Amino acid sequence: DTAVSQTPKYLVTQMGNDKSIKCEQNLGHDTMYWYKQDSKKFLKIMFSYNNKELIINETVPNRFSPKSPDKAHLNLHINSLELGDSAVYFCASSQDSGVNEKLFFGSGTQLSVL
Amino acid sequence: GEDVEQSLFLSVREGDSSVINCTYTDSSSTYLYWYKQEPGAGLQLLTYIFSNMDMKQDQRLTVLLNKKDKHLSLRIADTQTGDSAIYFCAESIRGDDMRFGAGTRLTVKP
Repeated sequence: DTAVSQTPKYLVTQMGNDKSIKCEQNLGHDTMYWYKQDSKKFLKIMFSYNNKELIINETVPNRFSPKSPDKAHLNLHINSLELGDSAVYFCASSQDSGVNEKLFFGSGTQLSVL
Repeated sequence: GEDVEQSLFLSVREGDSSVINCTYTDSSSTYLYWYKQEPGAGLQLLTYIFSNMDMKQDQRLTVLLNKKDKHLSLRIADTQTGDSAIYFCAESIRGDDMRFGAGTRLTVKP
């Protein structure tokens, strides 16, 4: 059973389009995250939700909007895609939002904007 | 900006010990982690250490932290072919603001 699953695995799209990446966790965790992996492989946090409430929102363009319909899902919607949005996006979850919580990651979504 | 660096490749023979090294620059790091990524899979947390510790052992894994030099290492005893993967070092201040290194690809030869 996959603990944290995100779809699609690969996404290729044109500039200006709107796209969504879905994430689901079956671990019963309360907190979910979206990370962006840059070209140097660094993972930078974008958003964090705890029980459907936004708790972290780093400096991310307004074109990125997370949606959490329930605590097992955190989807990432991106409007007006730009070339610089091309990256691998990782979803993650943890039991709580405390500082020593273990993070469980999905396998990533590779987004290519042409 | 702050950085996490690790060598890209390591090759060892089955049964030997592997040592993967990592250096970081942010002196306010509170938590330091080692993650493992197998082909096609997500990142799996192996172990973590608080910055006020200098060593942590967990079965075949030993983590050493030199806070003065900002150096973290992961030693895998009796390395097996199943240990072949990419190992990521990461550091964090709050616990949810993780900064990862580029990963070290460990190859274990029979």
